[in-house]
Amino acid sequence: GAGVSQSPRYKVAKRGQDVALRCDPISGHVSLFWYQQALGQGPEFLTYFQNEAQLDKSGLPSDRFFAERPEGSVSTLKIQRTQQEDSAVYLCASSLFGSGYGYTFGSGTRLTVV
Amino acid sequence: DAKTTQPPSMDCAEGRAANLPCNHSTISGNEYVYWYRQIHSQGPQYIIHGLKNNETNEMASLIITEDRKSSTLILPHATLRDTAVYYCIAKERAGKSTFGDGTTLTVKP
Repeated sequence: GAGVSQSPRYKVAKRGQDVALRCDPISGHVSLFWYQQALGQGPEFLTYFQNEAQLDKSGLPSDRFFAERPEGSVSTLKIQRTQQEDSAVYLCASSLFGSGYGYTFGSGTRLTVV
Repeated sequence: DAKTTQPPSMDCAEGRAANLPCNHSTISGNEYVYWYRQIHSQGPQYIIHGLKNNETNEMASLIITEDRKSSTLILPHATLRDTAVYYCIAKERAGKSTFGDGTTLTVKP
């Protein structure tokens, strides 16, 4: 597609529920990033894939957060046993590896845990 | 990534140039300066990047000081649609970016 697509656009989850957030990167983009953005703050890095390999997951806040990209294209961010502090916008970005021309971000998924 | 410092907010009159400063005094030789902006309810948008030379594209100009310890993003003729949060990032070409809190630019009619 022409841009990075994220779904769902909005998600309301009850505390303790598991959620899965999807990211469709730009076709051919090797690198894929997940960020978490709390209200009024800048995006915080979560994890980074190059093709199907997860090269950096240092930003994942707990073992309840898990990300995968099994075929090197679509990625899913899964949050288990959601907590209220997980409420945020989750942003996905992709880029050509080594292009240096910056990332293309999706519009994000706004997760609200009630 | 090198730490960057930006003013929390700035105002600019519509049609005038908006000059957004960024300090990155600990930047290393292989780190580039990237600028993104984020309009409300959207993901960040890449604007421009540079290493040590001044850069210009259809959106903006980037001026990097000779010692590379600071830079300025210039929007030559700001419009109301340029109202956004602007982020300055110093990083190597590949890998993650560290966003701070950015500068909220408000363009006023």
